Amino acid sequence: DVKVTQSSRYLVKRTGEKVFLECVQDMDHENMFWYRQDPGLGLRLIYFSYDVKMKEKGDIPEGYSVSREKKERFSLILESASTNQTSMYLCASSGIQGFSPLHFGNGTRLTVT
Amino acid sequence: GESVGLHLPTLSVQEGDNSIINCAYSNSASDYFIWYKQESGKGPQFIIDIRSNMDKRQGQRVTVLLNKTVKHLSLQIAATQPGDSAVYFCAGEGGGSQGNLIFGKGTKLSVKP
Repeated sequence: DVKVTQSSRYLVKRTGEKVFLECVQDMDHENMFWYRQDPGLGLRLIYFSYDVKMKEKGDIPEGYSVSREKKERFSLILESASTNQTSMYLCASSGIQGFSPLHFGNGTRLTVT
Repeated sequence: GESVGLHLPTLSVQEGDNSIINCAYSNSASDYFIWYKQESGKGPQFIIDIRSNMDKRQGQRVTVLLNKTVKHLSLQIAATQPGDSAVYFCAGEGGGSQGNLIFGKGTKLSVKP
């Protein structure tokens, strides 16, 4: 089974702090994604990556950046956390063979105070 | 823009009955659709997928139906059990970027004993 592991289940940070959310997958997947999930808004794509050191903006990249130095690891960075970034953050990965579903981690619930 | 949406935000069924969760999509070029289940405190879990060259696919107790004419898909769960209580999302290929999916907002399924 594919395993996508997010390093923290819960985080509480202060406004203005720099925040790192880490994600690791164990299936040698090329594609990795970061979503945020908010009530009434569903899942929204922040950033994704097709390969090491490659990144693409999703639908809501403002206020975020990402890093992919190794194939198995994809980090989401909040340069200066704000209260409107309080959310559930979900990491996902997928392979590139044909049609391939995303496999999700269990999420990090981030609260910015 | 493209969208994927569910018809009902909540659905309540009696244990043992069949459940049907419906979803509509707007992008007629979408080739691939997925259903996810999300239990409280967990990330979305892959249930079943279907490609646009099929109109039906069956799994264990689940069936997905795809009607490309009216851009509609449904998830049928046979003999619904309490463990099926969760939020169910449909997702469709968004086009453009590889692996980029567009998610519906989810239907919360409640199973009454």
